[in-house]
Amino acid sequence: DGGITQSPKYLFRKEGQNVTLSCEQNLNHDAMYWYRQDPGQGLRLIYYSQIVNDFQKGDIAEGYSVSREKKESFPLTVTSAQKNPTAFYLCASSPEFPGELFFGEGSRLTVL
Amino acid sequence: AQSVAQPEDQVNVAEGNPLTVKCTYSVSGNPYLFWYVQYPNRGLQFLLKYITGDNLVKGSYGFEAEFNKSQTSFHLKKPSALVSDSALYFCAVRALGYKLSFGAGTTVTVRA
Repeated sequence: DGGITQSPKYLFRKEGQNVTLSCEQNLNHDAMYWYRQDPGQGLRLIYYSQIVNDFQKGDIAEGYSVSREKKESFPLTVTSAQKNPTAFYLCASSPEFPGELFFGEGSRLTVL
Repeated sequence: AQSVAQPEDQVNVAEGNPLTVKCTYSVSGNPYLFWYVQYPNRGLQFLLKYITGDNLVKGSYGFEAEFNKSQTSFHLKKPSALVSDSALYFCAVRALGYKLSFGAGTTVTVRA
């Protein structure tokens, strides 16, 4: 089945550690996105990529990094510079503009 | 700049009654509008979209939405709500480019 796979679903991290969240899609979509979800704040865009080897900062990119070496993959690294990393992270992809986004099941990161 | 407002944090209805979830938007240029639903600890599921054409859009699970350009609104409706419709609903807007902006979300509770 085509879709978006995020892993891990739950992740615990100690303060000061970097962590990488995986996102893989087999929908053959060019565009991929990372959103952060906090209660009562909706979804906020972290990074997005329109094509392989290219990505742009979203509204809250500080403390995060991404790469897009393959069309299918768009991993997100939450660095120790992110001051409040505990959140639910959602990866998405979309076909050509202006199609809808398709979402993965999310990764919940908790910093201890 | 583009933005979405969902004026109600919560909507409560009885099963069998009509359900309306409100959304207003602000964009430069033509808007592309979307509704998504989210169940606890899950990703977002696409319900429907307005790109162009008929102002009344029909989507999944019996939902529909009406695009009103003069009021810059895109309210989600369902004629007869089910208990299983209880979830978090997000409205989103896209203008030119790949960025999709989301509202803060509306929690819908349908009581039996």
